[in-house]
Amino acid sequence: EIVLTQSPATLSLSPGERATLSCRASQSVSTYLAWYQQKPGQAPRLLIYDASNRATGIPARFSGSGSGTDFTLTISSLAPEDFAVYYCQQRSNWPPLTFGGGTKVEIK
Amino acid sequence: EVQLLESGGGLAQPGGSLRLSCAASGFTFSSYAMTWVRRAPGKGLEWVSGISGGGDSTYYTDSVKGRFTISRDNSKATLYLHLNSLRLEDTAVYYCTKGTYVGPGSYYDYWGQGTLVTVSS
Repeated sequence: EIVLTQSPATLSLSPGERATLSCRASQSVSTYLAWYQQKPGQAPRLLIYDASNRATGIPARFSGSGSGTDFTLTISSLAPEDFAVYYCQQRSNWPPLTFGGGTKVEIK
Repeated sequence: EVQLLESGGGLAQPGGSLRLSCAASGFTFSSYAMTWVRRAPGKGLEWVSGISGGGDSTYYTDSVKGRFTISRDNSKATLYLHLNSLRLEDTAVYYCTKGTYVGPGSYYDYWGQGTLVTVSS
């Protein structure tokens, strides 16, 4: 099973600041990695797939990068609606498909 | 418009059973693998089980093997998850998801609203 480790667990930032979230895989997943956003009481929303491709309707302030074992989700300038929990997910080696433990982006 | 509507959650005792359903619309249901993902209170997302479009291949995470059964009725565009021998640690919101690709190893672009399963004595 591929383990995904996300860091930091919590990121405290102000609106307008840049957010950088990390996801590290226990073995290479090539670029088969996605990022999701989840807000309280809502289902997760797909943001990025195949490491760097924005899903339909996702604003350009969200970008993904990386390959192999190290990946980054960057939010260039935090909007008020971006404060949420973010998860990475791999589909390189399954079952099981696996998710990271999440990074909470909170208002400072 | 793609819609996934779960039902069937509720309170069950340890060792008990529940059946979750997910009614799908807005896409060719039989063409896509479907998956259940859960989120336990205070925890992250966990992939639980997946099934191929035709229903002939099923996949489970180790912690539910032998206890949960995934199935689908393509004539009704409905996905199911039968939960047996429930444990306290199965308490979670269960989401029905549609993959971005037709195969089971996918990302998930559509999610239901979730149904809460609570296992408690």
